[in-house]
Amino acid sequence: AQSVTQPDIHITVSEGASLELRCNYSYGATPYLFWYVQSPGQGLQLLLKYFSGDTLVQGIKGFEAEFKRSQSSFNLRKPSVHWSDAAEYFCAVGARAAGNKLTFGGGTRVLVKP
Amino acid sequence: GAVVSQHPSRVICKSGTSVKIECRSLDFQATTMFWYRQFPKQSLMLMATSNEGSKATYEQGVEKDKFLINHASLTLSTLTVTSAHPEDSSFYICSALSGNPADTQYFGPGTRLTVL
Repeated sequence: AQSVTQPDIHITVSEGASLELRCNYSYGATPYLFWYVQSPGQGLQLLLKYFSGDTLVQGIKGFEAEFKRSQSSFNLRKPSVHWSDAAEYFCAVGARAAGNKLTFGGGTRVLVKP
Repeated sequence: GAVVSQHPSRVICKSGTSVKIECRSLDFQATTMFWYRQFPKQSLMLMATSNEGSKATYEQGVEKDKFLINHASLTLSTLTVTSAHPEDSSFYICSALSGNPADTQYFGPGTRLTVL
């Protein structure tokens, strides 16, 4: 069965510092990979996705993620964090063959210190 | 583009009543929509897949008679929580599967249901 692990429940980072959120997955084949962000009491906003091709993908708000097949990882990065990046981040995997159902990681809450 | 709305954003109801939540894709057609439930400080749990013109597919453990899903058009899916009880209180989020770009879910803002 597929699973997604986000090892870090909370991360605190200073404004202007870099951020990296980890995501590891278990899946039968190379799935579609997604990162979503959720602000409190809100829905999820798509940051970026990987389907195939270049393993380094660029997203919105200055985020990027790198797919590493050998490590079954899809880590999210941002070079310089802004206070508005404080939110919950979810990694998710899916596949068309599975009806595009998404399996989500447990989420990582990012706190930004001034 | 790819905007999904939900209505209402918040609802409070008495135990035993039914509540309907609407999910609309505003600028694209979606043959497939999904309904999720999210408990406080937890991740999303898929409840069901809603397919336009056919019956919804429910995940294991989700009561289909309690959570009625209707996907009557390419832009609207509804979730009705029947005979709601306090344990049904939760944050319900829908998503719509985009055809362009394909294979990508766009999420609504969520509905906070409180059952008294």
